[in-house]
Amino acid sequence: DAGVTQSPTHLIKTRGQHVTLRCSPISGHKSVSWYQQVLGQGPQFIFQYYEKEERGRGNFPDRFSARQFPNYSSELNVNALLLGDSALYLCASSLGSNEKLFFGSGTQLSVL
Amino acid sequence: EDQVTQSPEALRLQEGESSSLNCSYTVSGLRGLFWYRQDPGKGPEFLFTLYSAGEEKEKERLKATLTKKESFLHITAPKPEDSATYLCAVITGGGNKLTFGTGTQLKVEL
Repeated sequence: DAGVTQSPTHLIKTRGQHVTLRCSPISGHKSVSWYQQVLGQGPQFIFQYYEKEERGRGNFPDRFSARQFPNYSSELNVNALLLGDSALYLCASSLGSNEKLFFGSGTQLSVL
Repeated sequence: EDQVTQSPEALRLQEGESSSLNCSYTVSGLRGLFWYRQDPGKGPEFLFTLYSAGEEKEKERLKATLTKKESFLHITAPKPEDSATYLCAVITGGGNKLTFGTGTQLKVEL
């Protein structure tokens, strides 16, 4: 079975631009979560979606948004990019909203 | 606010030299404590979940234990392939939001 897949793997943007990151969960998993990991730090929670509804939101500005589609895949959107948004963005899926998380390999975003 | 602190930040071991990594936490209503392994440029890989004080879990050379204030990841006779960053995380409240520590970077040398 395929694990959590994320695209693209690497991305370079300039300040002020917009970015969309994509995630496909493990087959059968209905919950998707997004995390931001800055170099040398642990991942920080951004969003959780379950059955296409937002179930949790971390301490991130409104420039960050996400959605989950009927096939349970998900997108993370970031508007008006800042240099500080440079990080590894991780998607994780789980069977239910309270189950353990399985992570993808992430999208490495560089903002110049 | 939930807090997770891991120590040491970095650890260098010789192959076969056993040691322990520490994860201390301050949370309200712990539902579970997780250990993940992360290789450079990759996402975290699930190792263990611990739910209550006194619980222990083992997998190959790794053993995780939990008390009311902290968790230990014991590594017995490590090999170079055990080199990675080990992350500890807690889950509290509803949903499955994880609060992570900053990790321990382990390097095992021949």
